[in-house]
Amino acid sequence: AQSVTQLDSHVSVSEGTPVLLRCNYSSSYSPSLFWYVQHPNKGLQLLLKYTSAATLVKGINGFEAEFKKSETSFHLTKPSAHMSDAAEYFCVVSRSNDYKLSFGAGTTVTVRA
Amino acid sequence: EAGVAQSPRYKIIEKRQSVAFWCNPISGHATLYWYQQILGQGPKLLIQFQNNGVVDDSQLPKDRFSAERLKGVDSTLKIQPAKLEDSAVYLCASSPGGQGNQPQHFGDGTRLSIL
Repeated sequence: AQSVTQLDSHVSVSEGTPVLLRCNYSSSYSPSLFWYVQHPNKGLQLLLKYTSAATLVKGINGFEAEFKKSETSFHLTKPSAHMSDAAEYFCVVSRSNDYKLSFGAGTTVTVRA
Repeated sequence: EAGVAQSPRYKIIEKRQSVAFWCNPISGHATLYWYQQILGQGPKLLIQFQNNGVVDDSQLPKDRFSAERLKGVDSTLKIQPAKLEDSAVYLCASSPGGQGNQPQHFGDGTRLSIL
């Protein structure tokens, strides 16, 4: 079985400062991992994905995530937050046998001017 | 390419009434998913179609929920009768399907409120 734990339910940052969203996973197999973002009243948009290639994954809008097998983590970072980054972020793990997704509970990001 | 289309965007009904949602996936995507997202939680898979066949409906409350994808393209999800706990956003997603771990593309969802 696989599962995802997002360690922070809410993160508040100032515009221009770094953002760190923490995610730990558990998986019986080599996982595929994703980060999705959801803006208010919108669907989920894929930020980036890890599928056993490079451990440092670059995504859209300046986001990147590092896969650390020894720590079973897949934390999401961005060097400089923008007001438009205010949204809900989901860490997601995919089963390698049937590709079904398991979602974390989400982290709400607030960006202060 | 056009994204996943869903309608309506919002729906308000009273408990015990029925409601239907519609989804048109990205053209050529063989796999279609319906998710339920309760406020403050991540999406939960209700049903997965591969073309017009059901792959997984283990989490679908079959006493009140039904879904179909008759021609392997668009899909409808129905709730009859609705309960208060069905208040949620219903998200449709699609992926190309086949082999490989391809990301799912989501629509904007239908927000359902039960009075």
